[in-house]
Amino acid sequence: AQSVTQLGSHVSVSEGALVLLRCNYSSSVPPYLFWYVQYPNQGLQLLLKYTTGATLVKGINGFEAEFKKSETSFHLTKPSAHMSDAAEYFCAVSDQPGTYKYIFGTGTRLKVLA
Amino acid sequence: DAGVTQSPTHLIKTRGQQVTLRCSPKSGHDTVSWYQQALGQGPQFIFQYYEEEERQRGNFPDRFSGHQFPNYSSELNVNALLLGDSALYLCASSRGDRPEQYFGPGTRLTVT
Repeated sequence: AQSVTQLGSHVSVSEGALVLLRCNYSSSVPPYLFWYVQYPNQGLQLLLKYTTGATLVKGINGFEAEFKKSETSFHLTKPSAHMSDAAEYFCAVSDQPGTYKYIFGTGTRLKVLA
Repeated sequence: DAGVTQSPTHLIKTRGQQVTLRCSPKSGHDTVSWYQQALGQGPQFIFQYYEEEERQRGNFPDRFSGHQFPNYSSELNVNALLLGDSALYLCASSRGDRPEQYFGPGTRLTVT
C-alpha cells in the first residue's frame, strides 16, 4: 500500500536561509509524486510534480525537488526562504495510472523568521 | 480561465442533518475528486468521479455519496452528519489522462 511520511511537522528557517522539507514514500510501483502548498484558510496549490523523466524537478516560486528512487525520497528545497513562503506543505503520492488517487502526508508547517 | 470553484464557503449543520457541497472543475477537466481534510491533517481521499460514474472510493462510509453531472460539475452529499465530519472538504479536478490535480478553495463544514 502507498504511504507518505513527512519528517518534521514544524520547520523554522531564517529569511534567506535554505528551505528543506522532507518526504519519503512507499509504493510498489514507480510513483507519481507531488508537492502542494496550503496558505491559511485556502485550498492546495500545486508546487511541482514528478511523473517520469528528469529526477530534478523545478516548480513555482523557486522551489525544486529531487526524486531519489534508491532512498524513496522526494525532498522539497528552496535556496533562499522568503517571508511569503510561510505556509503548510504537503507531499502526495499516486501510483495508480488512470485514477491517480492521491495519498497525502500529514504536512509540514514552515515558519520563516525575520 | 476560472479555476476550481466550490460552494458554499462555510456551512454549519447539526448532528443528524444532511449536507450537499458543490464543485465546478477547471475548464477542460473531466475528472473530479473529493478529499476531506480534518484540522491539522493531510487531505484524505473520499472518491473520484469520471464520466458521471464513481471510479474509485476511499475508506469512507456509505453516508458519503456523490454525483457528477454532464457538464463535469460534481456534488458531495453527506447524510446523518456526525461531529467527526467537521472538516475542510476539498474538490480537485483533473484531465482524465493526466495525474496532476488542481484544488478548489474548499468548503469548511462545522457540525454542532
